[in-house]
Amino acid sequence: QVQLQESGPGLVKPSQTLSLTCAVSGGSITSGSSYWTWIRQSAGKGLEWIGRIYTNGNTNYNPSLKSRVNISVDTSKNQFSLKLGSVTAADSAVYYCASQSHRYRWGTDVWGQGTTVTVSS
Amino acid sequence: EIVLTQSPGTLSLSPGEGVTLSCRASQSVISNYLAWFQQKPGQAPRLLIYTASSRATGIPDRFSGSGSGTDFTLAISRLEPEDFAVYYCQQYSSPPYTFGQGTKLEIK
Repeated sequence: QVQLQESGPGLVKPSQTLSLTCAVSGGSITSGSSYWTWIRQSAGKGLEWIGRIYTNGNTNYNPSLKSRVNISVDTSKNQFSLKLGSVTAADSAVYYCASQSHRYRWGTDVWGQGTTVTVSS
Repeated sequence: EIVLTQSPGTLSLSPGEGVTLSCRASQSVISNYLAWFQQKPGQAPRLLIYTASSRATGIPDRFSGSGSGTDFTLAISRLEPEDFAVYYCQQYSSPPYTFGQGTKLEIK
């Protein structure tokens, strides 16, 4: 069973770039059976889908964030990453990495534990 | 963007009771790519149901999903104490994949 673990700074200054990494264990990120996804949750906006990447590099982003977001895969480290630029306090949230699996008809079946990011000077 | 509206917002129930939660979409969810999640405080959401009616591995059969098009329901028969949590629906038929605002089940 695949497991996911987020890592990255818990505090980011306004206007800077938020960078998070998700380590994949128990399976290969290149298996082709999953989309690798980022989701965030804040008190104000609930659960918000940020975007996803497939092993061939194809991405889908939420249009509300598209101009500021980049998701990439590092196959050598079996991990994928999120970068969100020009952050404001509204980007403070718990950030989850997750996988949409072919096994569950692309339902999001595996989630990391989540990491809290606060945007503040 | 497909907007999902869940109702009711909060339900107060007793263990042993049954409940039906509603999720309505602003446009048709293609291929019934609609999932239900359970979330407890301090935890990540847990997949219960995918493609509207299929239970994920390890999910008790007291959880069942139904519906198609724009109207979906999650039914829980015989509530157990561990079932009191927040439930979210999510459509993953059309990016951006959106979530409902959640229904909170609380113990009466």
